[in-house]
Amino acid sequence: GNSVTQMEGPVTLSEEAFLTINCTYTATGYPSLFWYVQYPGEGLQLLLKATKADDKGSNKGFEATYRKETTSFHLEKGSVQVSDSAVYFCALRVPGGYQKVTFGTGTKLQVIP
Amino acid sequence: DAGVTQSPTHLIKTRGQQVTLRCSPKSGHDTVSWYQQALGQGPQFIFQYYEEEERQRGNFPDRFSGHQFPNYSSELNVNALLLGDSALYLCASSLFFIGGEEGYTFGSGTRLTVV
Repeated sequence: GNSVTQMEGPVTLSEEAFLTINCTYTATGYPSLFWYVQYPGEGLQLLLKATKADDKGSNKGFEATYRKETTSFHLEKGSVQVSDSAVYFCALRVPGGYQKVTFGTGTKLQVIP
Repeated sequence: DAGVTQSPTHLIKTRGQQVTLRCSPKSGHDTVSWYQQALGQGPQFIFQYYEEEERQRGNFPDRFSGHQFPNYSSELNVNALLLGDSALYLCASSLFFIGGEEGYTFGSGTRLTVV
């Protein structure tokens, strides 16, 4: 079946530090890959996506590149801010209208001033 | 443009009771999926509705059922509530024909506490 594995959290960084959150996946076919962010007490927001190999998704300074050869989609940001503190979920969806989005367990990021 | 709207935002129920959660999808979306998110966990897929029918179901017992209305809104019903059903229930909408290239638009969720 399809699955997503994320690095364990929490991750604690100082403001302006470099962020990497690792994500690997297992899927049938050629999935689309996503990063979602969840702020405290809220639902999930789509942060970025990539739909094919070597695509780079980016948004709000965050980036992730779809690496088919390593089945990875690591999230990076060059300089984190306190406002980036949240839980980040890696997810995939294989092609087809009936297909569900499968999520990883989430990685909590805490950025301290 | 309204996003996904869920109601209520919070509720508390007693074991054995039944609950109904409601969801209005984003304007223009025709597919609704429901997820359960336990504290500290990732969302787990419950089921998906399209054209008023359940199209796919995750590993949840029959106590969990749903419905989609002609205006695409949806309800999630849970019968015979257990303490373990306490979670954040998320509704997500999407446009069916776009398929796998798009993710979902999520609502803010309903926090269900079973006591």
